[in-house]
Amino acid sequence: LAKTTQPISMDSYEGQEVNITCSHNNIATNDYITWYQQFPSQGPRFIIQGYKTKVTNEVASLFIPADRKSSTLSLPRVSLSDTAVYYCLVGETDGNTGKLIFGQGTTLQVKP
Amino acid sequence: NAGVTQTPKFQVLKTGQSMTLQCAQDMNHEYMSWYRQDPGMGLRLIHYSVGAGITDQGEVPNGYNVSRSTTEDFPLRLLSAAPSQTSVYFCASSYSTGWETQYFGPGTRLLVL
Repeated sequence: LAKTTQPISMDSYEGQEVNITCSHNNIATNDYITWYQQFPSQGPRFIIQGYKTKVTNEVASLFIPADRKSSTLSLPRVSLSDTAVYYCLVGETDGNTGKLIFGQGTTLQVKP
Repeated sequence: NAGVTQTPKFQVLKTGQSMTLQCAQDMNHEYMSWYRQDPGMGLRLIHYSVGAGITDQGEVPNGYNVSRSTTEDFPLRLLSAAPSQTSVYFCASSYSTGWETQYFGPGTRLLVL
């Protein structure tokens, strides 16, 4: 099972770009990298997913180097509403035992 | 679609009582799971199911039972509640081939006195 390591917390200001890096040294060949966002008193929600190189959607970008041992979630021009916990997950995909393990996540605090 | 629904939203139990947390989804997802979230601990997987009639343990299964008699429902049973089970419980579901993108319910807050 690939373990992930990410910073416990980060601070930013409105309008700035925020980059959250996640380490996953033991990622397996079939694993995807997925990021979730969780607001207080809500369940997590999917942000973005990737396998290698770069993925971009309307919310964020995900950068994955060639060795796939880390990944970086990039949030462009954050606002106060982006204050949340961000989880990096690396999936276990052997047969039917696919299950996601959430770590502690990164608490992002966006200040005015 | 209602998505993933959980009941109740909040529950207070006394030590030793039993109860069932309900989870239902109307998206025809094969994969369903239960997590608990404690302050500063992130989410921890309790039990999961890859289809009706199939369940398996996650990281922290002790004190909890599950069953999956239908695709739609995945109840979580606390047989004898303990204060250590005070937590927020989330249910999630996804298609088996896309399990990486799970849909989460709104959560159930449980307080065990």
